[in-house]
Amino acid sequence: AQTVTQSQPEMSVQEAETVTLSCTYDTSESDYYLFWYKQPPSRQMILVIRQEAYKQQNATENRFSVNFQKAAKSFSLKISDSQLGDAAMYFCAYRSAGLSSGAGSYQLTFGKGTKLSVIP
Amino acid sequence: GAGVSQSPSNKVTEKGKDVELRCDPISGHTALYWYRQSLGQGLEFLIYFQGNSAPDKSGLPSDRFSAERTGGSVSTLTIQRTQQEDSAVYLCASSLRRGGNGYTFGSGTRLTVV
Repeated sequence: AQTVTQSQPEMSVQEAETVTLSCTYDTSESDYYLFWYKQPPSRQMILVIRQEAYKQQNATENRFSVNFQKAAKSFSLKISDSQLGDAAMYFCAYRSAGLSSGAGSYQLTFGKGTKLSVIP
Repeated sequence: GAGVSQSPSNKVTEKGKDVELRCDPISGHTALYWYRQSLGQGLEFLIYFQGNSAPDKSGLPSDRFSAERTGGSVSTLTIQRTQQEDSAVYLCASSLRRGGNGYTFGSGTRLTVV
């Protein structure tokens, strides 16, 4: 079974600065997807960024980028020019591409989250 | 609809009562998922529906939990004889196809069992 670990329960960053959230995962599969979700107080999980394991290039979405290290099974999220609206819980998630896990590939496995505070 | 809609937003119930939580997915999304988020925990998979296929119920924690999806659209998660450990946020998500490029989540139902 896959596991996802977020070792930082809480982080804080000054507005306009850069912060990196850590995520590691454990899997025996070669093809999979990794996600970062943001959960503000409204509770709705919002997809921030997505990475396909077979792509070596790190995904980028505006101020959000990832550092994907497949061999190390690491998937960190960097937020640049942090804004007050970035304050939220951030969850790292894993999903199999289904090549070896069959019907179970649709499940997302989540880490326990990192609470990010942005200091004005 | 424009997004995934869940109701009620909050529910307080007495221990031993039954509750029903509703999820209205995005129109045209064939896949629907229920997850549970307990305090300080990540999200735990509960059940998955894909079109008219039999659902995958492998994540349901006990036989007090059940879910159905009528007409391939709206889904109801039912918890019978609620216990205090059932207190959590129940999140529903939908996607265009199995797995998909990402899920669209609703805002969840916060269930409190007193």
